[in-house]
Amino acid sequence: GNSVTQMEGPVTLSEEAFLTINCTYTATGYPSLFWYVQYPGEGLQLLLKATKADDKGSNKGFEATYRKETTSFHLEKGSVQVSDSAVYFCARGGAGGYNKLIFGAGTRLAVHP
Amino acid sequence: EAQVTQNPRYLITVTGKKLTVTCSQNMNHEYMSWYRQDPGLGLRQIYYSMNVEVTDKGDVPEGYKVSRKEKRNFPLILESPSPNQTSLYFCASSLGGLASETQYFGPGTRLLVL
Repeated sequence: GNSVTQMEGPVTLSEEAFLTINCTYTATGYPSLFWYVQYPGEGLQLLLKATKADDKGSNKGFEATYRKETTSFHLEKGSVQVSDSAVYFCARGGAGGYNKLIFGAGTRLAVHP
Repeated sequence: EAQVTQNPRYLITVTGKKLTVTCSQNMNHEYMSWYRQDPGLGLRQIYYSMNVEVTDKGDVPEGYKVSRKEKRNFPLILESPSPNQTSLYFCASSLGGLASETQYFGPGTRLLVL
């Protein structure tokens, strides 16, 4: 089937800690992959994306690499800040080529000073 | 400022009372869609529209209607709301309908159906 699985939260870290949020997907073919972030009280906004295998998306110190061998798109950041506290959603482009996003359940990140 | 707006942001209603949630974008995007967000389930697509007068069902369309009479607007209609439609709703838009395109989300509408 077509699905996205991401690690359950909440993830609680101290400031400057290393962050990894795992994400794996199932799909036929090679879908585009996304990480969206939802700050408290706001809508989702794109954090980064990769549209083909081996691409690396990056933004605001976050990175994720499209790994077709492991069907994964793990999100990493070397040093988190309190302002990174949010819910992070992994998503893949939908089947059939049109722009439906299939989301994971979301991972809440809380960063403490 | 380029944005997607939704109204209302919060709504409490009773079972069976018809309601409409409006969505508008000022980016001249062709593609628009509605999602609902529920705990542990992420976001699921309700309906989408590839262009004016072109709409189709997403994954969870039951109990919802949409229309796309103008490019900028894509209202979500609940003809007879039920408590299982209590959720957080997001409208989104993108320039076109390709699966690689970035979607832009509105701020969300939190709906409670009693």
